Amino acid sequence: AQTVTQSQPEMSVQEAETVTLSCTYDTSESDYYLFWYKQPPSRQMILVIRQEAYKQQNATENRFSVNFQKAAKSFSLKISDSQLGDAAMYFCAFIGAGGTSYGKLTFGQGTILTVHP
Amino acid sequence: DAGVTQSPTHLIKTRGQQVTLRCSPKSGHDTVSWYQQALGQGPQFIFQYYEEEERQRGNFPDRFSGHQFPNYSSELNVNALLLGDSALYLCASSLWQGFQETQYFGPGTRLLVL
Repeated sequence: AQTVTQSQPEMSVQEAETVTLSCTYDTSESDYYLFWYKQPPSRQMILVIRQEAYKQQNATENRFSVNFQKAAKSFSLKISDSQLGDAAMYFCAFIGAGGTSYGKLTFGQGTILTVHP
Repeated sequence: DAGVTQSPTHLIKTRGQQVTLRCSPKSGHDTVSWYQQALGQGPQFIFQYYEEEERQRGNFPDRFSGHQFPNYSSELNVNALLLGDSALYLCASSLWQGFQETQYFGPGTRLLVL
């Protein structure tokens, strides 16, 4: 079974600063995808960024980038130039490309990000 | 381009009752997954439907059942409701492409069981 662990229940950052959210995962599968989702108080789950495990290059989406370390099974999210609208619960998630985990996202416990003006 | 829609947005039921939640996938998507999210926790996978069949199922009892229609929309049914079924129920849609599946979520249905 796959597990996803987010060890930081809460993080805070000053507006315009940079913050990094941590995530580790455990799997025996070789082909999989990793995601960061954002859930603001409205509780709408919003996709932030996606990383394919077979790609060595780290994914980037505007101010959001990841540090994917496959051997260490680590997948952190860096938010640059933080904005007030970035305040939300952030979830790291795993999905297998085949086998028993295909099609089902496994989520971490979440990290609450607070952005101070 | 319409995103994932869910109805109703809120629902209050009493123990023992049955409930049906509905989901319409994002335009062009053919796969629907359902998740249960308790307050302060990450979503838990319930099941996934593709081609009107249940393709994957999480660790949920048989009281949770679903259906997918020819237009790809889906329903989640929960029988004999328990207090512990109170949660946000999220529907996610995706395209069955064989080796990748990015899921896009709807706004959710908040179920309260009294």
